[in-house]
Amino acid sequence: ETGVTQTPRHLVMGMTNKKSLKCEQHLGHNAMYWYKQSAKKPLELMFVYSLEERVENNSVPSRFSPECPNSSHLFLHLHTLQPEDSALYLCASSQDRTGGTYGYTFGSGTRLTVV
Amino acid sequence: QKEVEQNSGPLSVPEGAIASLNCTYSDRGSQSFFWYRQYSGKSPELIMSIYSNGDKEDGRFTAQLNKASQYVSLLIRDSQPSDSATYLCAVRPNTGGFKTIFGAGTRLFVKA
Repeated sequence: ETGVTQTPRHLVMGMTNKKSLKCEQHLGHNAMYWYKQSAKKPLELMFVYSLEERVENNSVPSRFSPECPNSSHLFLHLHTLQPEDSALYLCASSQDRTGGTYGYTFGSGTRLTVV
Repeated sequence: QKEVEQNSGPLSVPEGAIASLNCTYSDRGSQSFFWYRQYSGKSPELIMSIYSNGDKEDGRFTAQLNKASQYVSLLIRDSQPSDSATYLCAVRPNTGGFKTIFGAGTRLFVKA
């Protein structure tokens, strides 16, 4: 495996369900990110982890809960979501140690539909 | 004022023409600028980064940065139908930390 791998690719869940999104990066990068992409809107930063420590939490509702057990893996735990949470959820990684100058490598995304 | 602004398009150009994509940003102290390409149904892919005023060329792509005008652009020479995608401008503001601000993207359509 190379790059950034996200699973599942598609997810349909009810508002009372609990599910998790998984991301794994094989690039030796130091930082990992969760972004939300809704139609016609810019990517919205949700969480950033640098060397397993959360360094950004962008006022995300508590029904989204991130977990970073090591520098290669990132999870987004979902519970009691709302229909407006339906979107493309993108994981990304970068070489940054201090929020520097590197661009991102994105995973293929999880298309989430909340019914 | 949006932090990073792009014309949503679609921008339509004939095959072989130069496509010009523009982006303005609000944080005057921003230091790092990126262009991502996103095909329909796919995730964004980094195609260019630029940090200094002037032009940076990579193959058919040229990124241009003017910090005084808070303006960054992407030129695609000899446009191909395979260049049809949404192009996202992204800026690292000068606030420290890891946040990168994205524009909503410009849809480019290259007609064969």
